[in-house]
Amino acid sequence: GDSVTQMEGPVTLSEEAFLTINCTYTATGYPSLFWYVQYPGEGLQLLLKATKADDKGSNKGFEATYRKETTSFHLEKGSVQVSDSAVYFCARTIQGAQKLVFGQGTRLTINP
Amino acid sequence: DVKVTQSSRYLVKRTGEKVFLECVQDMDHENMFWYRQDPGLGLRLIYFSYDVKMKEKGDIPEGYSVSREKKERFSLILESASTNQTSMYLCASRMTGVYGYTFGSGTRLTVV
Repeated sequence: GDSVTQMEGPVTLSEEAFLTINCTYTATGYPSLFWYVQYPGEGLQLLLKATKADDKGSNKGFEATYRKETTSFHLEKGSVQVSDSAVYFCARTIQGAQKLVFGQGTRLTINP
Repeated sequence: DVKVTQSSRYLVKRTGEKVFLECVQDMDHENMFWYRQDPGLGLRLIYFSYDVKMKEKGDIPEGYSVSREKKERFSLILESASTNQTSMYLCASRMTGVYGYTFGSGTRLTVV
């Protein structure tokens, strides 16, 4: 069925390092793709989205490009901060965008 | 500020109890969702509702039921709580035709 696979965590980086969190999705239909972030003790917040192939979503220095040829939507940031420490979830729409399917989440810790 | 409010942040219940988790949104959204979040499994959809008194099963509905008597309120019911239902429960809402979900802060339920 429709699914999303994220790189396993946890990921630990130093401040100002380059970040990549990999995400791939099953190539069924024409999904929209999302990255959500969950800060400690909070619910999920939409970080960025892309609705069609080659779209690039961006927000707060994070970027992800919808790559249909590789069925990927990797999250990147050029220089991470301690405040970026959180759990990141990749997601795709299914059933004509009626529902979202989430990856397993990647816990990111940034050390000063 | 638009909001999805979950009535309890932390809840401890005994095995066999009937448990109600309440979710209220103030955005006039048609669609509401209940997910559970477990480490390594990401978010899994329990039930969703696309209109008042309408409901559909998600991926893991067993042991749960829902109620949506008013547009703004979506309740998750554990008919007879069991220890394997110990989890974080997240409510979300979405307006039809719009991709972004708004999440509540979650209810961490412990069944002892």
